[in-house]
Amino acid sequence: LAKTTQPISMDSYEGQEVNITCSHNNIATNDYITWYQQFPSQGPRFIIQGYKTKVTNEVASLFIPADRKSSTLSLPRVSLSDTAVYYCLVGDSNDMRFGAGTRLTVKP
Amino acid sequence: DTGVSQDPRHKITKRGQNVTFRCDPISEHNRLYWYRQTLGQGPEFLTYFQNEAQLEKSRLLSDRFSAERPKGSFSTLEIQRTEQGDSAMYLCASSYTSGRSSYEQYFGPGTRLTVT
Repeated sequence: LAKTTQPISMDSYEGQEVNITCSHNNIATNDYITWYQQFPSQGPRFIIQGYKTKVTNEVASLFIPADRKSSTLSLPRVSLSDTAVYYCLVGDSNDMRFGAGTRLTVKP
Repeated sequence: DTGVSQDPRHKITKRGQNVTFRCDPISEHNRLYWYRQTLGQGPEFLTYFQNEAQLEKSRLLSDRFSAERPKGSFSTLEIQRTEQGDSAMYLCASSYTSGRSSYEQYFGPGTRLTVT
């Protein structure tokens, strides 16, 4: 069971790029890396998922080094509405565990 | 389809009472998950179903908790003899999963339970 470690909180300013790194030293061969975003009083929302190298979609990029022991979620040009908690999950479809997440605060 | 729905959105109950929550997943999804979330913490996995079969239960799910998913459609989560420690947000999520391949869970808005 892979365990993840993320910073508890991060601050940024509008328009900046934000990178949140997650450590998962015990990741297994079948495990995927998935990131979710959660606003207060709402359920988490899927952001991006990857297995190796780089994945990009319309809202974020996910960078995964060759050893897969860490991953970095990159949010380009954040806005105030990106203030939320971001969770890194590692596992396959049979195993999904949330950690405490990273509380991102975007300031004007 | 409008996504995962949960009912009720809020529930206040007295200690010792039984409560039941309902989750309606996205119709074509074969997996349904229940989580519990307390303030400042990430969601804690409780249990999940593949179609109507309950495949895994967390040790957090004491004997007072029971979940069902009859006919592989909606699911209910019942808590018997509620305790103040059961106060939390109960989240439901669904996904379409084949084998162990990648997946994306869609979460409902949650049911906030307050036990007084």
